[in-house]
Parts: sequence; structure tokens; C-alpha cells
Amino acid sequence: EVQLVQSGVEVKKPGESLRISCKGSGYTFTTFWISWVRQMPGRGLEWMGRIDPSDSYTNYSPSFEGHVTIAVDRSISTAYLQWSGLKASDTAIYYCALSRGGACQACLDDWGQGTLVTVSS
Amino acid sequence: DIVMTQSPATLSVSPGERATLSCRASQSVRSNVAWYQQQPGQTPRLLIYGASTRATGVPARFSGSGSGTEFTLTISSLQSEDFAVYYCQQYNNWPPSWTFGQGTKVEIK
Repeated sequence: EVQLVQSGVEVKKPGESLRISCKGSGYTFTTFWISWVRQMPGRGLEWMGRIDPSDSYTNYSPSFEGHVTIAVDRSISTAYLQWSGLKASDTAIYYCALSRGGACQACLDDWGQGTLVTVSS
Repeated sequence: DIVMTQSPATLSVSPGERATLSCRASQSVRSNVAWYQQQPGQTPRLLIYGASTRATGVPARFSGSGSGTEFTLTISSLQSEDFAVYYCQQYNNWPPSWTFGQGTKVEIK
């Protein structure tokens, strides 16, 4: 069974750094792209970017490029989303999601459970 | 970025009735549109891709149509579990710069 398990709740202060994780299991990690999606409180879904775990090639939404970094560690089948300087506006739930390819290479077929990040002074 | 605009923001429907949700793209995305359902407190779930193909395990009461800039998700006979928020997503760009609509909430009338 394909599973994406995300790291737990984070509470941080503005300006701090953060890395959250998404561990894939039940499939060959390098086979499928992983995307990150933001959901701010009471708001909709925003696609942030994606990574190809086979070669770490990334694409970012213009709205997020330069503010976050997406990376993987193939040795432990884990994808990361990281910030070097958090803002209060980064408060949100962050989901990782898997694109299994096939008929729809870009569809988000499987989702992690979400990581709540709260940024407050 | 391609902007996806969904309407209405909220749709009030009685159980057993039909619901029709719209999504408009700011430029042609061909048939590269997916629909997702998010039930309260849950993670999103893929329903439709390629504008009209149901994902594995999705009931036949869900159907999608459209191409170019206008897309529709129809739920033929609403069940209790269908009251949720629905998002369209375009994936037409390469390199990828995918975008979601702002969502339509389907609520019980």
C-alpha cells in the first residue's frame, strides 16, 4: 500500500528555519514525483512545487520560488520542504502528494496527512 | 500563472439532487484539468483527471466535462458523503506550474 507519512505539528517564531518531511513507503521512491501543497487556515489549496526524486529536479510555483526549498533524501525515501526565514503568513497546513503518472502524470493521486505549521511571535 | 476561477463559491443542494460546479481557466488548458474533493478535516482526494476520466474507485455519479477554458463537475445525485469542498486544478504547463481554483463548497440545503 502506498503511504506518505508526514512529520508532526510545528510551532515556530518569525525568522526561524524549518524543515518538514514526507516519508514514502509501499512503492519505489524514485519512481513518482512528489509535490507540496499549502492550505492556509480556512482557505483553498495552493500548489507550491514538485520534485522528481530520481534526479532531484524541481519546479516551483512563481508564488513560492525563492521562499521555500524542496529536496529529497533517496536513502531514506523522504522528501522535505524547508524554509530559511519563516513569516507569520507561512502559517498553514502543508501536504505532500504523489503523482503516480500513467494516464495523468500531473495528478495528485496520494496525499500525506498534512503538517500544521504555526508561525507566531 | 494560469488562473482557475470556480463558481459558485458555495452551492446549497438537497440530498438526491444534482450539483453542477464550474471552473474557468484564464487561458486554454486543453483537457488538462483534474478535480479533487476535500471533506471536512480530511485530505484531498482525486476524483477526475483529463477533464472527464474518473479516478480509480470514484462512483459513477461523479462526471466531468469540458475542454479549453470551461469545465464542469457534475454530481448526479448527492449523497451525504458528497457534501465537501471541490477544487479544480490545471496541469497544462511545462515546466510544471500547476494551479488550483479557489474551491466550491457543496453544502446541505
